[in-house]
Amino acid sequence: DAKTTQPNSMESNEEEPVHLPCNHSTISGTDYIHWYRQLPSQGPEYVIHGLTSNVNNRMASLAIAEDRKSSTLILHRATLRDAAVYYCILSGYNFNKFYFGSGTKLNVKP
Amino acid sequence: NAGVTQTPKFQVLKTGQSMTLQCAQDMNHEYMSWYRQDPGMGLRLIHYSVGAGITDQGEVPNGYNVSRSTTEDFPLRLLSAAPSQTSVYFCASSYVVGDTEAFFGQGTRLTVV
Repeated sequence: DAKTTQPNSMESNEEEPVHLPCNHSTISGTDYIHWYRQLPSQGPEYVIHGLTSNVNNRMASLAIAEDRKSSTLILHRATLRDAAVYYCILSGYNFNKFYFGSGTKLNVKP
Repeated sequence: NAGVTQTPKFQVLKTGQSMTLQCAQDMNHEYMSWYRQDPGMGLRLIHYSVGAGITDQGEVPNGYNVSRSTTEDFPLRLLSAAPSQTSVYFCASSYVVGDTEAFFGQGTRLTVV
């Protein structure tokens, strides 16, 4: 099963953009790239997902490298509520064996 | 639309006791799964199901049983609880294709003494 690699932690200032990287060099052609976040004492929450093209939604943007071996989650203006652990996960064509890694803990400074 | 509901929210068990963690979803999702999360760690997949009557093992299945008799419910059974099963348990559901989002419950905090 394809795995992902993320930095353990990152820090950002409030109201500045944040770029969270993820490496997935063994990704297969049918794997979707998902991002979830987990706020303290809560269950994971969906952020965004994509296959090949960059994606935007109300929460964030997902930039996918042309070779699909890496991706970047972009929070355009970090707020204190964005402080969480962010997980980059690969899912196959069929949504099974959805493995979490250790994620990136994002700290947002006021 | 309640989403994914887990019960109970908290539970304390004695070593050797059995119990069932309940998970229910009202979104008609085919896919449901159980994870455990130990302190400071990511989530690890225990078991998953792609539809009623179909279950399979994840990364850490030992000590846990599951069954899926309806689309809505996916209970997780601990047959003989051990202190190593002290953890926070999360249930998730989604449509079965990868081009979709998963919904997670708020978790069950289990302590085995």
